[in-house]
Amino acid sequence: QKEVEQNSGPLSVPEGAIASLNCTYSDRGSQSFFWYRQYSGKSPELIMSIYSNGDKEDGRFTAQLNKASQYVSLLIRDSQPSDSATYLCAAPFSGGYNKLIFGAGTRLAVHP
Amino acid sequence: GAVVSQHPSWVICKSGTSVKIECRSLDFQATTMFWYRQFPKQSLMLMATSNEGSKATYEQGVEKDKFLINHASLTLSTLTVTSAHPEDSSFYICSARDQTGVDNEKLFFGSGTQLSVL
Repeated sequence: QKEVEQNSGPLSVPEGAIASLNCTYSDRGSQSFFWYRQYSGKSPELIMSIYSNGDKEDGRFTAQLNKASQYVSLLIRDSQPSDSATYLCAAPFSGGYNKLIFGAGTRLAVHP
Repeated sequence: GAVVSQHPSWVICKSGTSVKIECRSLDFQATTMFWYRQFPKQSLMLMATSNEGSKATYEQGVEKDKFLINHASLTLSTLTVTSAHPEDSSFYICSARDQTGVDNEKLFFGSGTQLSVL
């Protein structure tokens, strides 16, 4: 069973802090990973994609991938109340780009 | 990024009726589209892969006769929930990739359809 696991949270951080979201996956063949943000009642929005070990930065977001340990994380710097949402980690089935498996999502709450 | 349009945004129907949901790729052609379902406070579950010009591929446990998928053109896929019942009430989301674009590995989502069956 190929799985993507996330802590459901909620993760509560104060405004301006760094929020750290973690995800583990079971399929060692997975080559690409995606972080989506989903506001309540809305569809997911792609935030980051990462394919290589190490860090990838985009504005306040940094994705980290460690294939040996099979985990991928998302750091949000200078967290804002508008970042409050559910963050979904996703990886393709069988290492390909075709179908994506989603984790259950981590709910982030940024409080003023 | 690529734009995927989904319609309607929400629908309320009586038990036993059928509901059609449309998914369009607006600025690209999609030979494959994906239909997901999401229950409250749960993650997205892939229901089926819609293939242009051929039969859809359904995930285990999804009834193909209940969830009819048609992908008649490179920009349109439809999901019809037949004889809907209250347990079918859910958030249905379609998605697609622009496989000719620079973001060809990224999955873009439609805005979703909230179905409520009375």
